[in-house]
Amino acid sequence: NAGVMQNPRHLVRRRGQEARLRCSPMKGHSHVYWYRQLPEEGLKFMVYLQKENIIDESGMPKERFSAEFPKEGPSILRIQQVVRGDSAAYFCASSPSGGRSYEQYFGPGTRLTVT
Amino acid sequence: LAKTTQPISMDSYEGQEVNITCSHNNIATNDYITWYQQFPSQGPRFIIQGYKTKVTNEVASLFIPADRKSSTLSLPRVSLSDTAVYYCLVSPGTGFQKLVFGTGTRLLVSP
Repeated sequence: NAGVMQNPRHLVRRRGQEARLRCSPMKGHSHVYWYRQLPEEGLKFMVYLQKENIIDESGMPKERFSAEFPKEGPSILRIQQVVRGDSAAYFCASSPSGGRSYEQYFGPGTRLTVT
Repeated sequence: LAKTTQPISMDSYEGQEVNITCSHNNIATNDYITWYQQFPSQGPRFIIQGYKTKVTNEVASLFIPADRKSSTLSLPRVSLSDTAVYYCLVSPGTGFQKLVFGTGTRLLVSP
């Protein structure tokens, strides 16, 4: 059973470009969470999605950031017009429907560098 | 969500038992205590979760006193591969979980 997959693992973007981060949850998991981690800090919650629904986006910046989890395909975290402050590791996690959502399974992360 | 406080770093040697204590003075009645482990350049990994008294699995033990204002993660006979950051989290036991990570405890295991 493959774990949570994220791609790309590393992404370099110039200021003003768009970044698209992909997350494929574990098989059978219908809940996806995105977190951001700045250097030497803990992870910060961004958004919680179920298939075709955003459940909680209270941790998402109001502008430039969006997330989706379509009926088919991976979850996408999209950052438009990136700035240097967006440089961070972005982690996706998943949990099964009806499961213990405190037990989330994390992917290896995407490290975004904005130059 | 209850705030947690844990040591910034700890050092140990291979074969020793390591105990990492976390304080959560404002824990709510329906909150559970969960510990995650994170290796460099990887996502966090769930280790153990408990509500009260003692919980043990193949990786660690979790000790929670009666007042639940603190908890202790115990790692028996650590090895070099246990070098990682350990996070203590407090969150409701049911429903949607917005995991709140602090800065964690950076454990360094030396030969």
